Amino acid sequence: GAVVSQHPSRVICKSGTSVKIECRSLDFQATTMFWYRQFPKQSLMLMATSNEGSKATYEQGVEKDKFLINHASLTLSTLTVTSAHPEDSSFYICSARLRVDTQYFGPGTRLTVL
Amino acid sequence: AQKVTQAQTEISVVEKEDVTLDCVYETRDTTYYLFWYKQPPSGELVFLIRRNSFDEQNEISGRYSWNFQKSTSSFNFTITASQVVDSAVYFCALDTGGFKTIFGAGTRLFVKA
Repeated sequence: GAVVSQHPSRVICKSGTSVKIECRSLDFQATTMFWYRQFPKQSLMLMATSNEGSKATYEQGVEKDKFLINHASLTLSTLTVTSAHPEDSSFYICSARLRVDTQYFGPGTRLTVL
Repeated sequence: AQKVTQAQTEISVVEKEDVTLDCVYETRDTTYYLFWYKQPPSGELVFLIRRNSFDEQNEISGRYSWNFQKSTSSFNFTITASQVVDSAVYFCALDTGGFKTIFGAGTRLFVKA
């Protein structure tokens, strides 16, 4: 099946620094990718929809200036957490949509902000 | 509004017991897709099944079976003869096609040896 990768799988950073997470669709082109955040023992919450060649669409309550999304190619979307704080510590998961009824999820990135 | 409700927060069973995870959804769309995912401790989501709104046939895959009933807006998941390896969080999800995927809160399943 199709594969979506994320890099890095884990990252620990100091408060105030920025962290970039990459999401790649390895064997298909994805015009639309999604970024989710999952806090411990909670469900996945959609943060934003990343569209290739255009601005991302953010969900209500998600700060677009803090979570910068770039979808520069059909196989790569990046999420940059700017000026990270401990409350941004979470599990970030991306997905890439292949068809209207099919999306593939990345393995996730665990971010810890000290 | 679109919503997915998984009323069971945690379920604990003993190995070899059967267990059913409930999922109730809400949508006004006539075309939609329902999913079940497994999330083991590693965190990576494992796709289990996809059902579209026009296909109410129940499905069985090994020890897993799914019961889709549009009349009650339910898409329940049964594991037969549970095993310790089935311990995970299971998410039911709703997708109205190409846009947002709405996840339920998840059900944490503990299978004891």
